[in-house]
Formats: sequence, structure tokens, C-alpha cells
Amino acid sequence: DTGVSQDPRHKITKRGQNVTFRCDPISEHNRLYWYRQTLGQGPEFLTYFQNEAQLEKSRLLSDRFSAERPKGSFSTLEIQRTEQGDSAMYLCASSPRGPSGGPFSGSYEQYFGPGTRLTVT
Amino acid sequence: AQTVTQSQPEMSVQEAETVTLSCTYDTSENNYYLFWYKQPPSRQMILVIRQEAYKQQNATENRFSVNFQKAAKSFSLKISDSQLGDTAMYFCAFMKLPKNYGGSQGNLIFGKGTKLSVKP
Repeated sequence: DTGVSQDPRHKITKRGQNVTFRCDPISEHNRLYWYRQTLGQGPEFLTYFQNEAQLEKSRLLSDRFSAERPKGSFSTLEIQRTEQGDSAMYLCASSPRGPSGGPFSGSYEQYFGPGTRLTVT
Repeated sequence: AQTVTQSQPEMSVQEAETVTLSCTYDTSENNYYLFWYKQPPSRQMILVIRQEAYKQQNATENRFSVNFQKAAKSFSLKISDSQLGDTAMYFCAFMKLPKNYGGSQGNLIFGKGTKLSVKP
């Protein structure tokens, strides 16, 4: 399978514990995104990497959240001291670099993984 | 800030019929992309169709087509010959394009979604 993969698919944790999720993007995709989706809502942007550089962070990403992409391949999202409000589906997406020629020459399509469902009890 | 509004929380359609899902957005940007994504129950998000704002021609992908009205900031999705496999949440999404090549690529801004049920 050459799609975006995420691990684990489900995580149940107690309030106050730390959790870490992993995302493996499609090979050679240099852009990687993390989103959070709560029940009945559309996904909300958390953060974005281009290669190993974290270029954008949403204000939703509190100081308890940290994301890394150390070698520009897989990424991890860590939540420290989890709270019940952190319960959500965490989605990862990747996107290829567009061909040279200007900002309109890339597809800008994002390919999503299956998500990690976090339940904080 | 950009916002995306989907005013229909739920819709249903008979198999083989046509259904249209509505989406409006608000932006002061001139260069952007619009997308429709499909999220089947317990499965991952899949891109259905994409529209570049600078193109006047409406995008089509097989049974899926859009009606893009840039001045009205409207971007509806039409599904023709609905199939049972079309049952899913459908999300409209907006992406602002970078102002120069190599600039940070915009994230997707999603609406709240429309739950579509196709009935046999």
C-alpha cells in the first residue's frame, strides 16, 4: 500500500497521560499536514511541514502539542498531559511538490491517511 | 480569514437520481483552489474534485461536476446517477495559493460537511 499511513488507528488514554502518533506520508511527498476532526465537524488545520521544516502552526496547537518531522519523511504528533477536550480524530495528509513554473503549476492536492482516533477518559 | 459554509447538514437521494450539495465561502483572496472531499463511514478522506479559481470552466470528474460562481462565492457539487457507494460525508474545502513559488502552501479550510445517504 503506497498511501498515507497512520499509527495507531485507535488510542485510549487517561487524562494527564502523554500520547504520540505517527504518520508516514506517500513516498517523495515533501509536504505533510496534521488536522484534527471532532464529531460532526470538518477537519481543522493544526500544523504543516515542508520537508523537515515546520512552516505553519495553528493557534489550535497549544503548548501541550508538538510535532516533528526529523528527516523529512515520517512525522510524529505528541500531546502532553492529555485533556478530555483532546478527544478527536487526528488526520495526517501529504502533498507532492508541484512542477517548477509558478504557484499555479502544482496540483496542491492533499492525500489523507485513515486517521488516529484518540479517546481521553 | 477565510470561512466555508455548508448549509445542508444532511441530504438523501434515491439511487440513480441526481443530487446537488451546496457550499459557499468567504475570502478576500483572488487566487485559490476549491475542493470537494468525500469521507465514507469509517474510511479515509478522498478527493472528489478540484476547481482552480482562475479557471472559468467548471470542473467535471465522471459523475461529479461543480457549479463554480466566483462572484457569488458559491461552489456546489452535483452528483449524477447516484450510487450506493456515494453514501458518505462530503466536505467542501478552500485553499489559498501562495503568492510566490516556494512560499508556504496554504492549508485546507473545511466546511462542517453534508451527510449524504443514497437510498436503494
